[in-house]
Amino acid sequence: DVKVTQSSRYLVKRTGEKVFLECVQDMDHENMFWYRQDPGLGLRLIYFSYDVKMKEKGDIPEGYSVSREKKERFSLILESASTNQTSMYLCASSSGLAGGDTQYFGPGTRLTVL
Amino acid sequence: GESVGLHLPTLSVQEGDNSIINCAYSNSASDYFIWYKQESGKGPQFIIDIRSNMDKRQGQRVTVLLNKTVKHLSLQIAATQPGDSAVYFCAGGELSGYSTLTFGKGTMLLVSP
Repeated sequence: DVKVTQSSRYLVKRTGEKVFLECVQDMDHENMFWYRQDPGLGLRLIYFSYDVKMKEKGDIPEGYSVSREKKERFSLILESASTNQTSMYLCASSSGLAGGDTQYFGPGTRLTVL
Repeated sequence: GESVGLHLPTLSVQEGDNSIINCAYSNSASDYFIWYKQESGKGPQFIIDIRSNMDKRQGQRVTVLLNKTVKHLSLQIAATQPGDSAVYFCAGGELSGYSTLTFGKGTMLLVSP
């Protein structure tokens, strides 16, 4: 079974802090994704990566950056956390083409920015 | 761009009933669709997928129907159980392209004993 793990289930940070969210997958997938999920808005793509050291902006990249130094690990960075970044963050991975294969999700990190 | 949406935000059924959750998509180039289940506090879980060369695909207690003419797909859950209570959402993508999946906003399925 595909396993996608995220470093924290719950995280509380203060405005202005730098926040790192880590995601690791164990299926040698090429593609990895970061989403945020908010009530009424569904899943919104922040960034994705289709290879090591490659990254592509999603629909809402502002205020975020990512890092993919190893194939199995994809990090989401909030350079200076703000209260409007309070959300559920979901990481996913897939093989093949980014739009043509099932994405497998981690359990999510619920981030609260005070 | 593509939009993938759901007709009903909440569906309430009795245990044992069959449930039908609907999804519409707008991008005629979409040829790959997935249904996910998300329980409270958890990440989305893959249920079933279907490619556009099929009209129907069955899994264990679930069936996905695809109508390409009207750009509509549905998820049918047979003999719904309380453990099926969750948010269900569809996603659409293109097998031949590098565009990412587009997700619907979800339908909450509530199953009463």
